[in-house]
Amino acid sequence: NAGVTQTPKFQVLKTGQSMTLQCAQDMNHEYMSWYRQDPGMGLRLIHYSVGAGITDQGEVPNGYNVSRSTTEDFPLRLLSAAPSQTSVYFCASKAQQLGNTIYFGEGSWLTVV
Amino acid sequence: LAKTTQPISMDSYEGQEVNITCSHNNIATNDYITWYQQFPSQGPRFIIQGYKTKVTNEVASLFIPADRKSSTLSLPRVSLSDTAVYYCLVAPSGGYQKVTFGTGTKLQVIP
Repeated sequence: NAGVTQTPKFQVLKTGQSMTLQCAQDMNHEYMSWYRQDPGMGLRLIHYSVGAGITDQGEVPNGYNVSRSTTEDFPLRLLSAAPSQTSVYFCASKAQQLGNTIYFGEGSWLTVV
Repeated sequence: LAKTTQPISMDSYEGQEVNITCSHNNIATNDYITWYQQFPSQGPRFIIQGYKTKVTNEVASLFIPADRKSSTLSLPRVSLSDTAVYYCLVAPSGGYQKVTFGTGTKLQVIP
């Protein structure tokens, strides 16, 4: 089972560049979300989605956009990268009706120089 | 979402039992308690979930008192590979609420 797949795993951006972090899950989960984790810190929710066509902001949404055109995919877009967005990004998903078992991707390490 | 409070860090020697307590005073009737484990450079992974009393699986035990205002994750006979950050999450089972994590407890197992 693939589970939650994130690409790319590593990326270096220059300030002002834009990019998209891809996230796909093959478990037919309604709920998907993006977190960022700075060194030595906890997970902070960026955006989340409870189904195709439905997205909402989390704790730290500024500088990021998301869309959910299909159940499987939930890309995260950085519009104009800033050094403060250097972090590890985790995509996660869960089934709405099956408790709180959240499945995480392996992470995407982003460095903005 | 119920606010949770955990110790920031804990140290333990190999072979000891480790108990990590999470406080959640404003837990709602339909909230479940779930614990996750995160190793460095990896995403968190599910350990155990419970609603009340005691739950045990092959990895850990979860103790929940009758008032449910706290919970304790118990790791029996820890090894160096149990060094990780442990997160307590309190949220309804299912539903459409966003899921946010607290700061977690960093467990360091010492040889």
